[in-house]
Amino acid sequence: NAGVTQTPKFRVLKTGQSMTLLCAQDMNHEYMYWYRQDPGMGLRLIHYSVGEGTTAKGEVPDGYNVSRLKKQNFLLGLESAAPSQTSVYFCASSLTGGSNQPQHFGDGTRLSIL
Amino acid sequence: AQKITQTQPGMFVQEKEAVTLDCTYDTSDQSYGLFWYKQPSSGEMIFLIYQGSYDEQNATEGRYSLNFQKARKSANLVISASQLGDSAMYFCAMRETSSGSARQLTFGSGTQLTVLP
Repeated sequence: NAGVTQTPKFRVLKTGQSMTLLCAQDMNHEYMYWYRQDPGMGLRLIHYSVGEGTTAKGEVPDGYNVSRLKKQNFLLGLESAAPSQTSVYFCASSLTGGSNQPQHFGDGTRLSIL
Repeated sequence: AQKITQTQPGMFVQEKEAVTLDCTYDTSDQSYGLFWYKQPSSGEMIFLIYQGSYDEQNATEGRYSLNFQKARKSANLVISASQLGDSAMYFCAMRETSSGSARQLTFGSGTQLTVLP
């Protein structure tokens, strides 16, 4: 049972480089999210999607872009990486947006920007 | 104001004893959900338990129970018979119906639980 799968698990980038994080879920969930987790700050929402072909900005969207071309995949892109983007990135999904629906998380991607 | 407050940055408990992790929340919604997640040192986020704002009974899942006091806006997690594998960071989170289209989870800052042998 795969659930939510994130790739890669670790990555080191130099300032100015670009990369894409991939999130895939096999639960036919409508909602998908990208969060970042920084020490002492909990998780903060970067971008989200309420269905295939839709994306929207969350709390901290600057410097990131997303795409959801297929229902099961949600991509997070960094166009020009900055040291402030060093963080642990989590993808999550939920069946609907209902307040009774838990979000299921991937294992996270540890990203370091030098 | 913080929407989710976890006032215990760190907690210690003896193996086989029960422990309560505190969580208070702030919302003006009538309908909302409260969740607890566990994050072990390996980093993944594991969903533990859910409590709905309209649920009259406290939620239970195995050794986990949620002490829900709606009037006090608290949703404390109780772990019974602690095990060494319970050592982890625990996050309280809320999902509100008024959070716009995102319906994202709002997390507290977490409590680091250490179970002592």
